[in-house]
Amino acid sequence: DSGVTQTPKHLITATGQRVTLRCSPRSGDLSVYWYQQSLDQGLQFLIHYYNGEERAKGNILERFSAQQFPDLHSELNLSSLELGDSALYFCASSVVPGSNTGELFFGEGSRLTVL
Amino acid sequence: DAKTTQPNSMESNEEEPVHLPCNHSTISGTDYIHWYRQLPSQGPEYVIHGLTSNVNNRMASLAIAEDRKSSTLILHRATLRDAAVYYCILRALDNTDKLIFGTGTRLQVFP
Repeated sequence: DSGVTQTPKHLITATGQRVTLRCSPRSGDLSVYWYQQSLDQGLQFLIHYYNGEERAKGNILERFSAQQFPDLHSELNLSSLELGDSALYFCASSVVPGSNTGELFFGEGSRLTVL
Repeated sequence: DAKTTQPNSMESNEEEPVHLPCNHSTISGTDYIHWYRQLPSQGPEYVIHGLTSNVNNRMASLAIAEDRKSSTLILHRATLRDAAVYYCILRALDNTDKLIFGTGTRLQVFP
């Protein structure tokens, strides 16, 4: 158990819909990272938040947005869903970024299926 | 971020040592070498990291070439539970600890 909690574990929805994935980081961790893993793209970095502020952005589509709240939990919002958005979405947390030695702790993921 | 190259797949028998290679010829002086693995149906997990010297922990050893252009993750006695995708990642010194994953090496362990 990494200490990172993601909900829901599974989600099935239809094209054009909007969903919200939630992540609770480990106690004390200020950083939250979101990743998308699909069969053809592998693990793709989406976005990094540190203490409520966006710190780095990766291959995140404009239809996707994220935020980190004052209690440090984070939400990833996916809108206008397409079939290709079906994937596993992972959240990870770490204590403080910038040392390039810190360990990232990953949750078990949220599996999104778009029909 | 500098790129790494790993074999797509490797095989091992249980209780034998496994050497997983990684090439990173464009590594910069401040890049750390990190290894993560992803067991089936789980999120990635940290294995080990190093800068210049060889490193050991309870999970594995990391051997780093003198010129730092390659490294090898060593599992001393593979178990069935070690079957996973192993990712070699270079972490740059910047204001984020994001990991950029490549395709990794899928390790199969046979009983």
